[in-house]
Amino acid sequence: EAQVTQNPRYLITVTGKKLTVTCSQNMNHEYMSWYRQDPGLGLRQIYYSMNVEVTDKGDVPEGYKVSRKEKRNFPLILESPSPNQTSLYFCASSPGVLNTDTQYFGPGTRLTVL
Amino acid sequence: RKEVEQDPGPFNVPEGATVAFNCTYSNSASQSFFWYRQDCRKEPKLLMSVYSSGNEDGRFTAQLNRASQYISLLIRDSKLSDSATYLCVVNPSTRGGGNKLTFGTGTQLKVEL
Repeated sequence: EAQVTQNPRYLITVTGKKLTVTCSQNMNHEYMSWYRQDPGLGLRQIYYSMNVEVTDKGDVPEGYKVSRKEKRNFPLILESPSPNQTSLYFCASSPGVLNTDTQYFGPGTRLTVL
Repeated sequence: RKEVEQDPGPFNVPEGATVAFNCTYSNSASQSFFWYRQDCRKEPKLLMSVYSSGNEDGRFTAQLNRASQYISLLIRDSKLSDSATYLCVVNPSTRGGGNKLTFGTGTQLKVEL
């Protein structure tokens, strides 16, 4: 089944404890992206990647890191999480980088930072 | 001004009603437009793309007005299963920058018996 997977789905952690949220897609998609969703603000892009070893900042990159060593994986790293990073996170992928390409979203990771 | 603005609702409508949502966007250079549907606490899923000529998919019709910079979604004969949040999505990229999506905050629809 073609899909985008994220792990963990739910995470409660404490300020300053490094964490990684994994994202994997099995559709051989070139483009991958991370979004966060907060009430009243909608989904906002954190980072994106147009191909292996190519990553760039989205609208809200502060406090996050990403890597794209393999085409299928695009982990999101929080080196020192803070409470303002409590949010619902979505990973997405699309076949190419054209602005008409449909994006497919993972099921989401609900993160709480205490 | 937000890049993409929607009325948050909620819109409470009886089953079988016709309901319309509008959305405005600020970047006149935007190239692609979509409606996504999001069920409570789940991932957004593409409902339909929006073309200048308008497009229809069953009970759903989407329209784009570039001159006024707004997008609409019409749902006819609404079903209980249409209850969800509808996200207006704009892709401002022409080249470079990849496939970045800018989301509205969503309009909540509740269809009732």
